[in-house]
Amino acid sequence: LAKTTQPISMDSYEGQEVNITCSHNNIATNDYITWYQQFPSQGPRFIIQGYKTKVTNEVASLFIPADRKSSTLSLPRVSLSDTAVYYCLVGEGSGAGSYQLTFGKGTKLSVIP
Amino acid sequence: NAGVTQTPKFQVLKTGQSMTLQCAQDMNHNSMYWYRQDPGMGLRLIYYSASEGTTDKGEVPNGYNVSRLNKREFSLRLESAAPSQTSVYFCASCRDRGNEQFFGPGTRLTVL
Repeated sequence: LAKTTQPISMDSYEGQEVNITCSHNNIATNDYITWYQQFPSQGPRFIIQGYKTKVTNEVASLFIPADRKSSTLSLPRVSLSDTAVYYCLVGEGSGAGSYQLTFGKGTKLSVIP
Repeated sequence: NAGVTQTPKFQVLKTGQSMTLQCAQDMNHNSMYWYRQDPGMGLRLIYYSASEGTTDKGEVPNGYNVSRLNKREFSLRLESAAPSQTSVYFCASCRDRGNEQFFGPGTRLTVL
């Protein structure tokens, strides 16, 4: 299972764009990159998944460079309700592969008024 | 749709006691998972079930057993609880491997 490295914590003011970068140097050819969000006392919630280039949905964008050794989760115009822990995971996705996902310690994002 | 439900929400056990954590999903998902999350840590996979009738060990299976009772239900049993098993336990399900996982609300377990 590919190992990921992400910052332990980040602070941001309300209304700013937040970019959280994840490093995954040993990503395999079939691996997808997936991000989850977790609020205190709740289970994680899926945010976005991608394989290469850029993926965008209604809540976030995911940028993946050509070498795929890192990825950046972008949250536009954060609000206080975006304060949470964000996990970057690497594994075979979209029905293709591994059953096991490895959650690291994640990045604790604190949004300041 | 209730999604993924877990019972109980809270439990306190004494060392050596046994208990079963229940999990059910109503999304017709094939795969189900049990994770534990210790304070300030990420989730660690205990066991998973790729499909009805199959179970496999995850990263931290020692001290636990599981049963995939049917497609909807996946239970986690602690045969002889230890203080090291104090944690929050999350159940999750997904349509198939690699897809988005849906998590339950968790069971907060304390072993004294």
